[in-house]
Amino acid sequence: SQQGEEDPQALSIQEGENATMNCSYKTSINNLQWYRQNSGRGLVHLILIRSNEREKHSGRLRVTLDTSKKSSSLLITASRAADTASYFCAILTSNAGKSTFGDGTTLTVKP
Amino acid sequence: DTEVTQTPKHLVMGMTNKKSLKCEQHMGHRAMYWYKQKAKKPPELMFVYSYEKLSINESVPSRFSPECPNSSLLNLHLHALQPEDSALYLCASSQGIRGPYNEQFFGPGTRLTVL
Repeated sequence: SQQGEEDPQALSIQEGENATMNCSYKTSINNLQWYRQNSGRGLVHLILIRSNEREKHSGRLRVTLDTSKKSSSLLITASRAADTASYFCAILTSNAGKSTFGDGTTLTVKP
Repeated sequence: DTEVTQTPKHLVMGMTNKKSLKCEQHMGHRAMYWYKQKAKKPPELMFVYSYEKLSINESVPSRFSPECPNSSLLNLHLHALQPEDSALYLCASSQGIRGPYNEQFFGPGTRLTVL
């Protein structure tokens, strides 16, 4: 399966701590994206990283991509209770428009 | 306007009903998507439209029929659904289907229950 595998499945931290979640995949990719989903709602796009990029930042978010290890990580620094959500990686493997989502990491940030 | 809207928010239908889900975006995006998401699972791609033409059909049963009347609208027609089709149906759009343009904007979803 080309589906991304994410770990951990669930993560619980205190407000102010950093949260790291990982995504691994099996085939070569066009790009990899991270999304956030609050309970039962639509997904919000966080960051898109291309296959020739190694690191991207957006505010408190930092995404790395290691194509040799076929893995990516999402780091959220100085977490807030509002960061509580499910986080998904999505892999685009071609230019046909098909993105395959990983199983997701459920993050709980305790105030 | 960076919003994707979906109607209705909730839908309950019987197995013999015919209903439609609607999705609209005014961002000038040329690619639109339907996803199905079961509880505690990731979204699963159903259909992709690019420039109003069906680009991808992920072997979705014919009881789901997509339609793209114009570049801003995407419909999903439902007929003779099964209880296992109950799920959150998400619509998304992006500038295009190719890599750099594939950043997808999602609507809030329609929560579908099939009785």
